[in-house]
Amino acid sequence: DAGITQSPRHKVTETGTPVTLRCHQTENHRYMYWYRQDPGHGLRLIHYSYGVKDTDKGEVSDGYSVSRSKTEDFLLTLESATSSQTSVYFCAIRAESAFDEQFFGPGTRLTVL
Amino acid sequence: GENVEQHPSTLSVQEGDSAVIKCTYSDSASNYFPWYKQELGKRPQLIIDIRSNVGEKKDQRIAVTLNKTAKHFSLHITETQPEESAVYFCAASTHYGQNFVFGPGTRLSVLP
Repeated sequence: DAGITQSPRHKVTETGTPVTLRCHQTENHRYMYWYRQDPGHGLRLIHYSYGVKDTDKGEVSDGYSVSRSKTEDFLLTLESATSSQTSVYFCAIRAESAFDEQFFGPGTRLTVL
Repeated sequence: GENVEQHPSTLSVQEGDSAVIKCTYSDSASNYFPWYKQELGKRPQLIIDIRSNVGEKKDQRIAVTLNKTAKHFSLHITETQPEESAVYFCAASTHYGQNFVFGPGTRLSVLP
């Protein structure tokens, strides 16, 4: 499982509340990613990080922010959750080798009521 | 930016038959093409990948082919088994590229 954990694994919240999801890795990978997964859309990139304090936007970044203050943690924040942000969120790392493989965390199911 | 299309969206086969899933991509700079399998309620798991310097790669009953000229790549599963029922995703990326673009997925059902 490439040493990736996500917390919480499930969360139910109300519209307008802030939510932070945490991704933690134990293997010192430089690249970390946040995706959301919705039926019919596959996996869509929200934000990614290429090092401590180095982040960039993905395809669906509106309404989300991220932070990476240490190598092992990548946080995704919904400043004011909306029902359209109900989704399954996956964190991933990219193994920096000749092979570029990307490995996923277990996912967080977020429901915004 | 890169766009990845995937077909079919659903596929049903009988146990023991072959299954083929096809993807096309738009960015000629893409050179790494992984395939993921996702079982219900689980995380996507890498099952095979291919780089642009080869045209085919095989791992037991799973193979992937790549046609760079036509910008398409395919997943082939032979002698399918019911436990291979899952959603399969293709993706494209550049070597040392900062992100991956995924296809929308194919739901494969292998009927016993």
